[in-house]
Amino acid sequence: KQEVTQIPAALSVPEGENLVLNCSFTDSAIYNLQWFRQDPGKGLTSLLLIQSSQREQTSGRLNASLDKSSGRSTLYIAASQPGDSATYLCAVSYNQGGKLIFGQGTELSVKP
Amino acid sequence: EAGVAQSPRYKIIEKRQSVAFWCNPISGHATLYWYQQILGQGPKLLIQFQNNGVVDDSQLPKDRFSAERLKGVDSTLKIQPAKLEDSAVYLCASSLTAGPINEQYFGPGTRLTVT
Repeated sequence: KQEVTQIPAALSVPEGENLVLNCSFTDSAIYNLQWFRQDPGKGLTSLLLIQSSQREQTSGRLNASLDKSSGRSTLYIAASQPGDSATYLCAVSYNQGGKLIFGQGTELSVKP
Repeated sequence: EAGVAQSPRYKIIEKRQSVAFWCNPISGHATLYWYQQILGQGPKLLIQFQNNGVVDDSQLPKDRFSAERLKGVDSTLKIQPAKLEDSAVYLCASSLTAGPINEQYFGPGTRLTVT
């Protein structure tokens, strides 16, 4: 069964800390992996997409890495800010245009 | 470029009533997805369309849920009759089918409460 797990479920850090969110998937034959941000009561905002042939992607203070062989991805957030507070979701797809299989998310709170 | 549009944003109904949600994808996106997100969980695919044909509806509770995508653009998801466990956020997403990246773009969602 294809499953995605995110650890931790919740995380609270003081402003300015660097932090890492973890995502693991049971079937390593992924097509691509996406990290999303979800604010309360809102839809999903795509942060980074990593194709299966790539090892990492960067956007501003965010860096996502992918290790297909071990079935893991990490989202690194540098110099966290209160505005980064949200739920972060990891999702994988197994073919072009295929459905996304999501983890349950990590709820991040950055305290001023 | 306009994003994925959904309506209504919120809906409260009693169990056994019916409800319908509407989605307008990004212009030119051939693939449309409906996901259900129960509180505290990640979204789960209900149905996927390629133009106006169904690609995957394996997790759609077909005894009560139905969906259509007429003319390969807008889509409607219906629940009849609703159950308490249908309380969730219903998310619509769309993507271009061509090209290797195939990123999915999500709408704001419809929050359904069944009482």
